[in-house]
Amino acid sequence: DIQMTQSPSILSASVGDRVTITCRASQNINNWLAWYQQKPGKAPKVLIYKASTLESGVPSRFSGSRSGTEFTLTISSLQPDDFATYYCQQYESYSTFGQGTKVEIK
Amino acid sequence: QVQLQESGPGLVKPSETLSLTCSVSGGSIRSYYWSWVRQSPGKGLEWLGYIYYTGESNYNPSLESRVTLSIDTSKNQFSLKLTSVTATDTAVYYCARAGLSGKYVLDYWGQGTLVNVSS
Repeated sequence: DIQMTQSPSILSASVGDRVTITCRASQNINNWLAWYQQKPGKAPKVLIYKASTLESGVPSRFSGSRSGTEFTLTISSLQPDDFATYYCQQYESYSTFGQGTKVEIK
Repeated sequence: QVQLQESGPGLVKPSETLSLTCSVSGGSIRSYYWSWVRQSPGKGLEWLGYIYYTGESNYNPSLESRVTLSIDTSKNQFSLKLTSVTATDTAVYYCARAGLSGKYVLDYWGQGTLVNVSS
């Protein structure tokens, strides 16, 4: 099984901050990685797929990158609507999600 | 606008079979992959499996012996069966669609339905 390790588990930030969330795969997954945002009581929403491709309608302040087996989701300037939990998802072999990163108000 | 709606019992007894249906509206169930994902209370997300309108399916290896997906194109619905449930199967179950970005990238989701496993 491919394990996905996200860090940090909780991130405290302020509006306007640049925020970075990391997801490390236990083996090579090429670019088969997506990022989702989930708010309490709601279904997840896809933000990025194939490591760095922005889903249609997602603000450009969200971006994704890859370095080897490490993937990064960056929010360039945190907005009030961005306080949520973020999950990475690998789909190189079946599909597994990271354990999530909660972005909370500092 | 595609909409998905889960339906099924909210309470299932241990050792019994959990059965859920996802009704798709606003678009055809053909030509897309359809998944089930669950989320245990306070926990992360777990992909259970997908099915295509042709009947092609793929399951999470950790649950493969207990999960069966089926699809009914005439009703625009697909279904999940999970056998021999225990308390650890208590979760919010989501149905979701994989769009044109790949079989696993889920672009439309249902609102989720909570299933409790308890006697």
